[in-house]
Amino acid sequence: GAVVSQHPSRVICKSGTSVKIECRSLDFQATTMFWYRQFPKQSLMLMATSNEGSKATYEQGVEKDKFLINHASLTLSTLTVTSAHPEDSSFYICSAPLGNTIYFGEGSWLTVV
Amino acid sequence: TQLLEQSPQFLSIQEGENLTVYCNSSSVFSSLQWYRQEPGEGPVLLVTVVTGGEVKKLKRLTFQFGDARKDSSLHITAAQPGDTGLYLCAAYQKVTFGTGTKLQVIP
Repeated sequence: GAVVSQHPSRVICKSGTSVKIECRSLDFQATTMFWYRQFPKQSLMLMATSNEGSKATYEQGVEKDKFLINHASLTLSTLTVTSAHPEDSSFYICSAPLGNTIYFGEGSWLTVV
Repeated sequence: TQLLEQSPQFLSIQEGENLTVYCNSSSVFSSLQWYRQEPGEGPVLLVTVVTGGEVKKLKRLTFQFGDARKDSSLHITAAQPGDTGLYLCAAYQKVTFGTGTKLQVIP
């Protein structure tokens, strides 16, 4: 199957700083990628759809100025959490579609202290 | 955003028992995926179902797509502790996830 990789897998940052998470499709091109947030013991919540060459589409209630998404190439999308606060601590996951199937990254744990 | 409802949300069973997890929606989907997720990891694809009425088997797991392509089920036969995890159904159109079913198999 296709491979999607995220980096870093774990990151700790200080409150007020920004942190970037990368999502790469390793063996296929993805014009679209998706970013999710997951709270403990809950399902994945779609945050935004990342579109190569255009602006991301954010789900209702997700602050686009807080969660900056850039789809720099057909294999890379980045999520930058700006001015992070402890409540932004979470598990962030990206995915990319290939055909009619979605493939997920390994996830990134963000802890804001 | 289409809503996918999964039931049950939590399930704790003894090793060797059978179980069925349901994924329902009022929307029609061109395809539907099932994933299993372990804590701290990304979801791992189990199967994609495309055709209404389709049945796919993966060892002790049987997946069925409803005739109207609005619902799906996952049946596990003789559950093992290794089956423990969060099971998610998802529909590609909007990459909407079901509410999830947390399965715990007790040895």
